[in-house]
Amino acid sequence: NAGVMQNPRHLVRRRGQEARLRCSPMKGHSHVYWYRQLPEEGLKFMVYLQKENIIDESGMPKERFSAEFPKEGPSILRIQQVVRGDSAAYFCASSLTANTEAFFGQGTRLTVV
Amino acid sequence: AQRVTQPEKLLSVFKGAPVELKCNYSYSGSPELFWYVQYSRQRLQLLLRHISRESIKGFTADLNKGETSFHLKKPFAQEEDSAMYYCALLPGFGNEKLTFGTGTRLTIIP
Repeated sequence: NAGVMQNPRHLVRRRGQEARLRCSPMKGHSHVYWYRQLPEEGLKFMVYLQKENIIDESGMPKERFSAEFPKEGPSILRIQQVVRGDSAAYFCASSLTANTEAFFGQGTRLTVV
Repeated sequence: AQRVTQPEKLLSVFKGAPVELKCNYSYSGSPELFWYVQYSRQRLQLLLRHISRESIKGFTADLNKGETSFHLKKPFAQEEDSAMYYCALLPGFGNEKLTFGTGTRLTIIP
């Protein structure tokens, strides 16, 4: 089991472009969580998804951000019209069920220039 | 809303000395508490959780509900303990998202 895989590891976008961050959970895991880490801050929860469903998106900015976890394929965090303030490390975690250990990916470092 | 506070951003300790990383939380219910560790160039991984009452790599943490604390301790620091440590809280009762503290960077001085 390769663990939680995130790609790309590093992503550079110009202001106004779109950023797509991918997360492949561990095999058999149907729960996915996205976190954002701004410079000098802790990890902040963004969204929690189960296959094809958004369970909790209370940490997602209301505009420009969206997430999906389709029946087939990885979970995608999409940021439209990126701004400099979106520059951060974005971490994905997956778990087998809601109450079991969450395993983290290595993160995607987004830089907006 | 729940909150996790790690008051020390940086902590340096000599090899062989005791280590204590502080974590305080605020939450009205009975949460589950965790410590995660991130070694250099590696992913975040679970170190221990309070309900399992384990000692991992010599680290222990006791949940003190009276002081709402979950400090991480190790009696004798080793160089390989240098890493970033995050305290995290899970509220439970179907609200299954971890709330993290800002982290403490521990450096063990040889």
